[in-house]
Amino acid sequence: EIVLTQSPGTLSLSPGERATLSCRASQSVSSSYLAWYQQKPGQAPRLLIYGASSRATGIPDRFSGSGSGTDFTLTISRLEPEDFAVYYCQQYGRSPLFTFGPGTKVDVK
Amino acid sequence: QITLKESGPTLVKPTQTLTLTCTFSGFSLRATGVGVGWIRQPPGKAPEWLALIYWDDDERYSPSLQSRLTITKDTSKNQVVLTMTNMDPVDTATYYCAHSLEYSSAWYGMDVWGQGTTVTVSS
Repeated sequence: EIVLTQSPGTLSLSPGERATLSCRASQSVSSSYLAWYQQKPGQAPRLLIYGASSRATGIPDRFSGSGSGTDFTLTISRLEPEDFAVYYCQQYGRSPLFTFGPGTKVDVK
Repeated sequence: QITLKESGPTLVKPTQTLTLTCTFSGFSLRATGVGVGWIRQPPGKAPEWLALIYWDDDERYSPSLQSRLTITKDTSKNQVVLTMTNMDPVDTATYYCAHSLEYSSAWYGMDVWGQGTTVTVSS
C-alpha cells in the first residue's frame, strides 16, 4: 500500500515569500498520476496541479509543480493573502487507487 | 460547467446504513474516461478516498472499507449513490463526491468537487 508523506506539517511565511512544499511517496508514482489540492476552511479541496506539473484551469502561474518517482514539490512563487490554506498531494493508480497525503498548512508568520 | 452536489442524512445512528447521493450535471458518466468518486474528511483530518465508479461500470473501493461500501450509478438520472453499512461514530465526516477524468494514459485529477455533506454518527 502506497503512503504519501508531506513536509513540513506547517509552513509559516509572510505574503510575498516563496513557499516550497514536499510530497514523498513510499513507492514510485507515475508523474502522470500525482496531483495537488488547496483547501480553505469550510470548503472542498480545489485542484491546483495534475500530472505533477500541469496547472488546472484557472490556477495562477505562481503555482507550479515538479518532481518524479517518489519526490514531488509544489512551489508558490510569491504568496498572496488568499494562498494561506492547507495543501494536499494525491496519487492515483497505486493500491489503494487514490491516496492523499496528510497535508501542509501554510499560515501567516 | 460541471457541478456535483451531495445529498443524504446529516445524522445516522451506530450500526445503521448510510446512503448518499451525488447528483451531477455538465458531463456524462457514459463518456470514456469519466469517473465519479466519493471522498470523506473527518474534522481536522486529511481527505480519505472511499470509492469510485467509472463510465464502463468498473467499481473501485478503498481496501480498508471495501466490505462496507457499495457504489452505483444511474446515468439516466445523472446520479451516483454510495452506501456504507454498519456506521460507527468514527465515520463522522464531511462526505464529498468529485469528477475524475483519465484519458490516453493521463489523469486530469479530481477537478470538480461537490460542496460536501456533513454526516454525524451518534445515538
